[in-house]
Amino acid sequence: EPEVTQTPSHQVTQMGQEVILRCVPISNHLYFYWYRQILGQKVEFLVSFYNNEISEKSEIFDDQFSVERPDGSNFTLKIRSTKLEDSAMYFCASKDRGTGNTIYFGEGSWLTVV
Amino acid sequence: QQPVQSPQAVILREGEDAVINCSSSKALYSVHWYRQKHGEAPVFLMILLKGGEQKGHEKISASFNEKKQQSSLYLTASQLSYSGTYFCGTSSGNTPLVFGKGTRLSVIA
Repeated sequence: EPEVTQTPSHQVTQMGQEVILRCVPISNHLYFYWYRQILGQKVEFLVSFYNNEISEKSEIFDDQFSVERPDGSNFTLKIRSTKLEDSAMYFCASKDRGTGNTIYFGEGSWLTVV
Repeated sequence: QQPVQSPQAVILREGEDAVINCSSSKALYSVHWYRQKHGEAPVFLMILLKGGEQKGHEKISASFNEKKQQSSLYLTASQLSYSGTYFCGTSSGNTPLVFGKGTRLSVIA
């Protein structure tokens, strides 16, 4: 069964460093998402991406964050200058065209900022 | 605006039933249910698209009351493997899924 894959599975970084989280969505999907989950809390929407541009973003997704689809298969989340409170599990997700289709999540990238 | 889930947590003995509710203050197009085990990604359970739709998978089923803007997840004859946090995600059309805070379900022997 096709799946969303994410790398790295776990990254430890120093405060102030830049981090890039990578995702390979399911190949025929058109909508891509990043969500994050702080330990013990709910899954929070960060950003959605469609047709090579951001279609929606939450208030969490400030200037520190950016997304890119550099080569037609990868979908990346960059955090420019990490803060302690960025420590969380980051989930990439993708969806086929149309409303109501299932959103498939990757296994997540656990980011620890020290 | 995030949906509201209730209860926040529930403890069941194996074989007991549970209902988890999800309600929204906004008109909904779809409701998605996920289960998440500790340290793992959310796993899709089912999606409900139309008001009044009901779906089921083995002993887990759900309903969607479009008028009341709410959905309920029914777990029948619970098994140990049902333990986890259940999230509902709601969407009003092509908007991204917004998740509730989750309901922590613990099934004990």
